[in-house]
Amino acid sequence: GNSVTQMEGPVTLSEEAFLTINCTYTATGYPSLFWYVQYPGEGLQLLLKATKADDKGSNKGFEATYRKETTSFHLEKGSVQVSDSAVYFCALSLNAGGTSYGKLTFGQGTILTVHP
Amino acid sequence: NAGVTQTPKFRILKIGQSMTLQCTQDMNHNYMYWYRQDPGMGLKLIYYSVGAGITDKGEVPNGYNVSRSTTEDFPLRLELAAPSQTSVYFCASSAYPSGISNQPQHFGDGTRLSIL
Repeated sequence: GNSVTQMEGPVTLSEEAFLTINCTYTATGYPSLFWYVQYPGEGLQLLLKATKADDKGSNKGFEATYRKETTSFHLEKGSVQVSDSAVYFCALSLNAGGTSYGKLTFGQGTILTVHP
Repeated sequence: NAGVTQTPKFRILKIGQSMTLQCTQDMNHNYMYWYRQDPGMGLKLIYYSVGAGITDKGEVPNGYNVSRSTTEDFPLRLELAAPSQTSVYFCASSAYPSGISNQPQHFGDGTRLSIL
């Protein structure tokens, strides 16, 4: 089956530190990969995405590269801010040629706390 | 720009009671999804719908029912509430399957449900 594994949290950093949140996946077929972010008390928002090998998704200073050889999609940011404190979810969706219907498979989420 | 709206935001139920979680979207999206989020477990798909009148089971459908009489609405019903259904429930929608066109799923803010 399909699955997504994220690094265990929580992750606590000081402002301006470098961030990496690891994400690896297993999938039958060729998935699209996503990072979603959930701010306190809110629903999930798409942060970035990549649809094929070697694609790099980027948004708000965050980046992630689709690595097919290592089945990974690690999230990085060079300098985090207090406002980046949230829960981050890695997810995959199989390209719907059959019955996947765009269903997302999520990792367990990683809590990030950034201190001033 | 309402997006996906879920009601109620919070609810406490007694064991054996029933209730309906409401979800409506104003983006004319065909695809709609219900997820539950348990602590440290990520999101798991309960039911999904690919259009009015068409629904199907996700990963954890037991104890729930859905209907999709209109494009806008996708209510989730709990018939006999059990403590194991204590969770945060998210509704999401997308124009196309996420895997085909990389369309993100748009999430509501969630319903926090406690069964006592």
